[in-house]
Amino acid sequence: AQSVTQLGSHVSVSEGALVLLRCNYSSSVPPYLFWYVQYPNQGLQLLLKYTTGATLVKGINGFEAEFKKSETSFHLTKPSAHMSDAAEYFCAAATYNNNDMRFGAGTRLTVKP
Amino acid sequence: NAGVMQNPRHLVRRRGQEARLRCSPMKGHSHVYWYRQLPEEGLKFMVYLQKENIIDESGMPKERFSAEFPKEGPSILRIQQVVRGDSAAYFCASSPLAEMNTEAFFGQGTRLTVV
Repeated sequence: AQSVTQLGSHVSVSEGALVLLRCNYSSSVPPYLFWYVQYPNQGLQLLLKYTTGATLVKGINGFEAEFKKSETSFHLTKPSAHMSDAAEYFCAAATYNNNDMRFGAGTRLTVKP
Repeated sequence: NAGVMQNPRHLVRRRGQEARLRCSPMKGHSHVYWYRQLPEEGLKFMVYLQKENIIDESGMPKERFSAEFPKEGPSILRIQQVVRGDSAAYFCASSPLAEMNTEAFFGQGTRLTVV
């Protein structure tokens, strides 16, 4: 079974600065990896996912993440933060099916003007 | 095509009452998943259902919690004799297939408060 660790429950950046949200996983087999975003009082929206193929994955809203097997990481980045990026971000991993999916505890991103 | 619909959005129950949470999956989706989100924690898997079948309930508490997904109508997550510790956001997700190449879409959640 896999587990997901998100380093930093709160991250604060200035508008225009680089966003880096960290995610590490532990799994006995290469997993499928996901980043979801949750805006206040909303459900989760998929930002991007890695299944197979290219390890650098581009998602919506200018976000991207790179799967690094050697580091068991799937960090989320965005070159320039916008105020609208303020939300909770969840990393998730699964090895087989959707019911196998495990979520990290989440990182709350704050963007300062 | 409406997304995953959950109702109610907010539910307040007194200790000992029953809570019934509803989830209507996206059209054409026959796989439903329930998750619970506690404050300052990520989502925890509870149960996976297909029409009229519980496939995986390994994340469901053994007592007071039950789930169903009937042939007609929404999926129901039922919590009997609620306690304060049941206060959480409950999210439902649906997908057309179980395989990971198909995305699971999430509803907006039901926020249960037990007073």
